[in-house]
Amino acid sequence: DAGITQSPRHKVTETGTPVTLRCHQTENHRYMYWYRQDPGHGLRLIHYSYGVKDTDKGEVSDGYSVSRSKTEDFLLTLESATSSQTSVYFCAISEDPQPQHFGDGTRLSIL
Amino acid sequence: SQQGEEDPQALSIQEGENATMNCSYKTSINNLQWYRQNSGRGLVHLILIRSNEREKHSGRLRVTLDTSKKSSSLLITASRAADTASYFCATTPTGGGNKLTFGTGTQLKVEL
Repeated sequence: DAGITQSPRHKVTETGTPVTLRCHQTENHRYMYWYRQDPGHGLRLIHYSYGVKDTDKGEVSDGYSVSRSKTEDFLLTLESATSSQTSVYFCAISEDPQPQHFGDGTRLSIL
Repeated sequence: SQQGEEDPQALSIQEGENATMNCSYKTSINNLQWYRQNSGRGLVHLILIRSNEREKHSGRLRVTLDTSKKSSSLLITASRAADTASYFCATTPTGGGNKLTFGTGTQLKVEL
């Protein structure tokens, strides 16, 4: 869908371990986003990027960092995972700010 | 904090009936969008309506926007089983650039 690949699709890890999720796009879109989706909260923006090495914080950025060294890749890192970060993580891309096109998500469980 | 709140949270209808979902939001917006999410998949963009528009159509979809009431509705006509999904409204606040704020969604089930 829209040339977006998220990896891994599923991951189970332990509290305190570092975790990196990858979003790869083949559309050459300028904007990339990371969201988390939790029951009762809809999707909440974690971080986004408006170009290579240009990133900004979203609504729920604490505990997360991002990097974008190439147009096609946007990485989300949990430096020390906590159980509250158990969630489904979605990457999205857009050329203009809207609309956004989403990947199929990464289901992350932190035990 | 959630900008949009959808109503109802869940809706079950028979195939062929119309489905109406509502979205309310809190601040002034540049535009409002509706997305669909099938189980286990990412969101798919359905339609965007700008703050200076009142109604927009796309196929079996009709979206209205009332900025005075800070509300929008999504109507799906002649629903099909394949329309079973969760539907989310998302707003771009005035001056909010490219940041989207999503509501909590309406789960639609269309039964045969």
